[in-house]
Amino acid sequence: SQQGEEDPQALSIQEGENATMNCSYKTSINNLQWYRQNSGRGLVHLILIRSNEREKHSGRLRVTLDTSKKSSSLLITASRAADTASYFCATTRNTGFQKLVFGTGTRLLVSP
Amino acid sequence: NAGVMQNPRHLVRRRGQEARLRCSPMKGHSHVYWYRQLPEEGLKFMVYLQKENIIDESGMPKERFSAEFPKEGPSILRIQQVVRGDSAAYFCASSPPLGVYGYTFGSGTRLTVV
Repeated sequence: SQQGEEDPQALSIQEGENATMNCSYKTSINNLQWYRQNSGRGLVHLILIRSNEREKHSGRLRVTLDTSKKSSSLLITASRAADTASYFCATTRNTGFQKLVFGTGTRLLVSP
Repeated sequence: NAGVMQNPRHLVRRRGQEARLRCSPMKGHSHVYWYRQLPEEGLKFMVYLQKENIIDESGMPKERFSAEFPKEGPSILRIQQVVRGDSAAYFCASSPPLGVYGYTFGSGTRLTVV
């Protein structure tokens, strides 16, 4: 089954509202990363949180990691129409090389 | 620094033809990864290469798919005798020798098999 699974699958909000997306995973990890993908485009790295970190901020982004629950959340504050995209979490395992295992993504729609 | 360059951006092939997808990593990056994304799905790992070496190909289909990263030139993902189910977006990423934190994705090649 999927290593990373995002919840919800789709989210529709108004500009200015906050958007929260969750990611669950099944195995131990080295780090967890969040990526954004605009329709038909490549992935843009947003933020990385290591397994020994609990929270990280970057601009309007806030990421939390709970390794006991094997889950992470991505919060986008004061959303903008330009935030409309799909958001994926990706994990790397403790062993071996740094292969990314992606979830199925959350599609975020921010309406003006 | 032009980033990770993939070409072509779009590729249309008839069933049974061969598809060749190219990826030039970022300058200074020696690790290349290929991922496949089916419509409405996340990315699935296919293969990890270093120069002249395949490190992990656990995500590659057993037949028709091959990848290489020669000493000179781009990495190539080759799909022989394409079928409709191969239609997907194929993304390449590269990272520097020391780890994953410099992971950078290309814009992808969208393969359509007709």
